[in-house]
Amino acid sequence: DAGITQSPRHKVTETGTPVTLRCHQTENHRYMYWYRQDPGHGLRLIHYSYGVKDTDKGEVSDGYSVSRSKTEDFLLTLESATSSQTSVYFCAISESETSGVSSDTQYFGPGTRLTVL
Amino acid sequence: AQTVTQSQPEMSVQEAETVTLSCTYDTSESDYYLFWYKQPPSRQMILVIRQEAYKQQNATENRFSVNFQKAAKSFSLKISDSQLGDAAMYFCALLLYNQGGKLIFGQGTELSVKP
Repeated sequence: DAGITQSPRHKVTETGTPVTLRCHQTENHRYMYWYRQDPGHGLRLIHYSYGVKDTDKGEVSDGYSVSRSKTEDFLLTLESATSSQTSVYFCAISESETSGVSSDTQYFGPGTRLTVL
Repeated sequence: AQTVTQSQPEMSVQEAETVTLSCTYDTSESDYYLFWYKQPPSRQMILVIRQEAYKQQNATENRFSVNFQKAAKSFSLKISDSQLGDAAMYFCALLLYNQGGKLIFGQGTELSVKP
């Protein structure tokens, strides 16, 4: 199994509070991703990173920001949590690339269940 | 826009029998990968099998195999000799080379295995 941990694993918070989720990898992989999983939608990409301090938006990035100051850590921040951000959040990593973009299998962390009341 | 569609929200199979899960996708890209992931009740996303679009040969991993029909944009998963541990949600996913390795997921198929 890929060495990926997520913290916290569960969190309950209130609307309007800031929340930061952490993804930590021990594989030294270049690419890291944040997804959210909601019933009926599968997983949807929030943000991704292709190196330290290099990040880009996914399809559902509104209300989220990310940071990557070290290869092993990728943080997802909800600046002001809303009930619509209640979800399960997954981090993923991948390594191989073709022509500068990731083209390899993504391996997932265990997920974080976030509830915003 | 790229899409992945799994038209079977739920499937059921008898233990030791064979079941096929369907997936269709749409993309204008020529270079991509296709995956099947399994998500058991533990919620962990587990890679089942992977197919490179440029390869004509269908991928196989033990009891799991795919039927990749590129022209039809179809990517079905066959599970042979089904086991109780195969019960899970299965997701089909499309990875695009030229979009940062973005994975696009289908909605999932819930597979139950009857003893």
